[in-house]
Amino acid sequence: QKEVEQDPGPLSVPEGAIVSLNCTYSNSAFQYFMWYRQYSRKGPELLMYTYSSGNKEDGRFTAQVDKSSKYISLFIRDSQPSDSATYLCAMSANAGGTSYGKLTFGQGTILTVHP
Amino acid sequence: NAGVTQTPKFQVLKTGQSMTLQCAQDMNHEYMSWYRQDPGMGLRLIHYSVGAGITDQGEVPNGYNVSRSTTEDFPLRLLSAAPSQTSVYFCASSQGLAGETQYFGPGTRLLVL
Repeated sequence: QKEVEQDPGPLSVPEGAIVSLNCTYSNSAFQYFMWYRQYSRKGPELLMYTYSSGNKEDGRFTAQVDKSSKYISLFIRDSQPSDSATYLCAMSANAGGTSYGKLTFGQGTILTVHP
Repeated sequence: NAGVTQTPKFQVLKTGQSMTLQCAQDMNHEYMSWYRQDPGMGLRLIHYSVGAGITDQGEVPNGYNVSRSTTEDFPLRLLSAAPSQTSVYFCASSQGLAGETQYFGPGTRLLVL
């Protein structure tokens, strides 16, 4: 079983829809939770990160972390065609020991927002 | 700032050849890492470094070497290329040692025949 599971989709939604992307994980040591956006043939771009549980909002994007359920989500409001990309969740434990900067990624969800 | 840069963008190798993938960052980040991205596998950590002179293995280190002589540069060496190393390689750097603000380069596409 993978440490981080992410539904690869693909997910297709109309412009203006609310998009929900999710990841589950099994390692209780994870403390940092990141969402990356990756356009075709480009490097991953950090959207936002959250430390421990809770919500974080940045414009049309909201990240939620529920550590009790080992479940994280990214919501995109008023989705736009320019949001069409692959969305990757990533997680890491606290720095120190053998955990320095090691990100564990989900497989990525391919999202298409059509006009 | 250029951020994280990688060269070359694309490379074709024959089995058994060696090569070095270059990575540089101008953000004075201590932490740097190399990932490979394969279809259905996501990104997997190859090697990482927490500062000049300090490197360690990630999840899939076999067949790769790294060194870190300066804060800015973190090259990845393929010792004897194999078709299984056909992949897209990303270099990343981070301000935080937990990797929470990790920034990625544009990638190098490698094809091993």
